[in-house]
Amino acid sequence: DVKVTQSSRYLVKRTGEKVFLECVQDMDHENMFWYRQDPGLGLRLIYFSYDVKMKEKGDIPEGYSVSREKKERFSLILESASTNQTSMYLCASNQGPEAFFGQGTRLTVV
Amino acid sequence: GENVEQHPSTLSVQEGDSAVIKCTYSDSASNYFPWYKQELGKRPQLIIDIRSNVGEKKDQRIAVTLNKTAKHFSLHITETQPEDSAVYFCAASYGGATNKLIFGTGTLLAVQP
Repeated sequence: DVKVTQSSRYLVKRTGEKVFLECVQDMDHENMFWYRQDPGLGLRLIYFSYDVKMKEKGDIPEGYSVSREKKERFSLILESASTNQTSMYLCASNQGPEAFFGQGTRLTVV
Repeated sequence: GENVEQHPSTLSVQEGDSAVIKCTYSDSASNYFPWYKQELGKRPQLIIDIRSNVGEKKDQRIAVTLNKTAKHFSLHITETQPEDSAVYFCAASYGGATNKLIFGTGTLLAVQP
């Protein structure tokens, strides 16, 4: 059974802080993704990675960066958190077409 | 890049009725169209998918249809039950090495007992 685990379920951070969201998958998947989920906007792709140290921008990369030093771990970094980054963040991984999601991290920036 | 539109944004039906959710996509190269269900407070999970070489696929009470010419695909749920209440997302992908999924904006389905 595929497991995608995000390090935190809830986070509260201050404006200007550097924030790390961590995601780990245990199925040796090549591809990993970070999505942001907002009401009425669906799931929007921030960044994805198709191999260790490889990354590509998604549709809304501004204000975010990512790191993939090991195959199983994909980190989303908010260099300087802002209130408009308050959202639900979902990590996903796949090898074939089906994507498996983490449980989500609800980030609040105050 | 790919853009996926989804309608309606909310849908309320009586238990036992059918529900239909529609999506359109922009990139004719897309060849894989999954549907995900997200129950309240839970992660999205795949419920059914269809590839571009198939026009329809069924799995018990759910079915998906694809019209490649019109770039439309739809989710059909028959004999709805309260446990079908959730947010449903359609997505499109052109496969390749990354299988990057672009999602629609979601439909909140409420099944009234």
